Amino acid sequence: GAVVSQHPSRVICKSGTSVKIECRSLDFQATTMFWYRQFPKKSLMLMATSNEGSKATYEQGVEKDKFLINHASLTLSTLTVTSAHPEDSSFYICSARGTPGYGYTFGSGTRLTVV
Amino acid sequence: DAKTTQPNSMESNEEEPVHLPCNHSTISGTDYIHWYRQLPSQGPEYVIHGLTSNVNNRMASLAIAEDRKSSTLILHRATLRDAAVYYCILRADNYGQNFVFGPGTRLSVLP
Repeated sequence: GAVVSQHPSRVICKSGTSVKIECRSLDFQATTMFWYRQFPKKSLMLMATSNEGSKATYEQGVEKDKFLINHASLTLSTLTVTSAHPEDSSFYICSARGTPGYGYTFGSGTRLTVV
Repeated sequence: DAKTTQPNSMESNEEEPVHLPCNHSTISGTDYIHWYRQLPSQGPEYVIHGLTSNVNNRMASLAIAEDRKSSTLILHRATLRDAAVYYCILRADNYGQNFVFGPGTRLSVLP
């Protein structure tokens, strides 16, 4: 079945540094990927939609300069949290859908802690 | 996407069936009913989806009301591993659109 690999699974970084999270579709081509954010005990909130070869579409209230998304190939999208602050600490999850006929597959998530 | 309503939490005993309800009174004719679950510290996992007819797979069964305004996810024999948050999501099966997650139902399974 369709597998999405997300890396790293957890990361701790210092305030002011940048962190890159990778989302890879392992056995299918993902023309569209989605990035979600989840706070403790809360539901997933869509941050942005990433389309291969074009700019990401950000949801209202999500800073595009802070959360940089790159979808340079059909199997890889990256989310870079720039100049991280403690309030950026959260669980980040990507999902992908390839060609029609595949369901949505989610990555296992990345727990980011900014200290 | 039309809104869904689920109980905040439910409890079940291990090896007993579990019926997780979902109300979606404003569902449109093109909306599919999707169920995903999220284990602790994991991304959501696909469970099942359907349009009008009841569906069965190795994980669960989906019973859809005749008027499609409600549905029930059925876990035939709950195991401890089934403890998770279960999300019922409506989505027109348009390629490329995201899922909108509600709060879901937190299922606890007691040994």
